[in-house]
Amino acid sequence: EAGVAQSPRYKIIEKRQSVAFWCNPISGHATLYWYQQILGQGPKLLIQFQNNGVVDDSQLPKDRFSAERLKGVDSTLKIQPAKLEDSAVYLCASSPGGRQGVFFGPGTRLTVL
Amino acid sequence: GQQVMQIPQYQHVQEGEDFTTYCNSSTTLSNIQWYKQRPGGHPVFLIQLVKSGEVKKQKRLTFQFGEAKKNSSLHITATQTTDVGTYFCAGRDSGGGADGLTFGKGTHLIIQP
Repeated sequence: EAGVAQSPRYKIIEKRQSVAFWCNPISGHATLYWYQQILGQGPKLLIQFQNNGVVDDSQLPKDRFSAERLKGVDSTLKIQPAKLEDSAVYLCASSPGGRQGVFFGPGTRLTVL
Repeated sequence: GQQVMQIPQYQHVQEGEDFTTYCNSSTTLSNIQWYKQRPGGHPVFLIQLVKSGEVKKQKRLTFQFGEAKKNSSLHITATQTTDVGTYFCAGRDSGGGADGLTFGKGTHLIIQP
């Protein structure tokens, strides 16, 4: 079974630039999450989708971050404009739904200079 | 909001020694999950505990969920070099609503051969 796919794996940008990340969850998983993991810390939930609807985006900095999940499958996360403190690994994860284990993708390591 | 705390932050052990990490939540949890993240990797789901006082074992790993469903522990017997990594607990609030996980900061396990 294929896992969660993410691209790109690495991205370096300058502050105030824009960046977008893509995620393809495990086939059939209704729930999709975007997490931000700053070095040395645990993942922090940014947004949760159930199919193509947003369930929780309470910790998403909406002035600069946006996410969508068109057709309830793939998802994109965008940052515009980026700040230095956005340097982190952005992890996409999916789960079958309900309160089950979450399966993470390899992440995108973002460096903002 | 919900907070999940883990101790210790770092643990150095000699290969063959036991290891324990503890997790405490500021709120009652509906369930708790444990993840392992190898250096440079992404979190990998290990197990979920749901019932008060539940104990589960996976080979040398023993997971416990407290009676009050606010704390949990992971114990590894006779550590091996393959156990190196960061162990995260992640809890789901029992208050209902969105089921995104709140992660602790993790315990970094360092094993000296």
